[in-house]
Amino acid sequence: NAGVTQTPKFQVLKTGQSMTLQCAQDMNHNSMYWYRQDPGMGLRLIYYSASEGTTDKGEVPNGYNVSRLNKREFSLRLESAAPSQTSVYFCASSEVATGELFFGEGSRLTVL
Amino acid sequence: AQSVTQPDIHITVSEGASLELRCNYSYGATPYLFWYVQSPGQGLQLLLKYFSGDTLVQGIKGFEAEFKRSQSSFNLRKPSVHWSDAAEYFCAVETPYNNNDMRFGAGTRLTVKP
Repeated sequence: NAGVTQTPKFQVLKTGQSMTLQCAQDMNHNSMYWYRQDPGMGLRLIYYSASEGTTDKGEVPNGYNVSRLNKREFSLRLESAAPSQTSVYFCASSEVATGELFFGEGSRLTVL
Repeated sequence: AQSVTQPDIHITVSEGASLELRCNYSYGATPYLFWYVQSPGQGLQLLLKYFSGDTLVQGIKGFEAEFKRSQSSFNLRKPSVHWSDAAEYFCAVETPYNNNDMRFGAGTRLTVKP
């Protein structure tokens, strides 16, 4: 049972480059999320998708876009990467009724 | 918006000793409360959660937490810590009116001494 799968696990970008982080879940969950984790700041919600076809901003959406491609997949795009976007990114999914988030293993992004 | 404070950045305990990790939340009503654990290089795993009812909640790996409305707290406890408990612990809060917006504390890193 794969759970939540994120790719890539590591990426180095130059300032101004673009990239997309991919996320897929096999638990048939309706809700999916993108968080970023920075030292001393915990996890902060970037965007979420409560169901297929919908997306909403979280706490720190600036500089990011998302696409809920289908029920399984939720991608995060950086159009023009900045050093402030150096972080570890986590995708998660949930069945809202239970409240439990299931996390991927994270994607470490460095922007030079 | 709701928020969470974890006052302790880093705690060190001896193996076999008891543990209490503090968590305080800010929200006008009773929120949904969670504790997650993160091992190095891994994603987060749910330890336990509180929605309503009994204020003492049991979780996995021998952890428990107590919701105290008067103190806006949801502290995590374990009677006897094992070396494998070394990890980072996150308290999180969600409101009933938007249960897609979970806010996390900054985390507490636990070191276990032999």
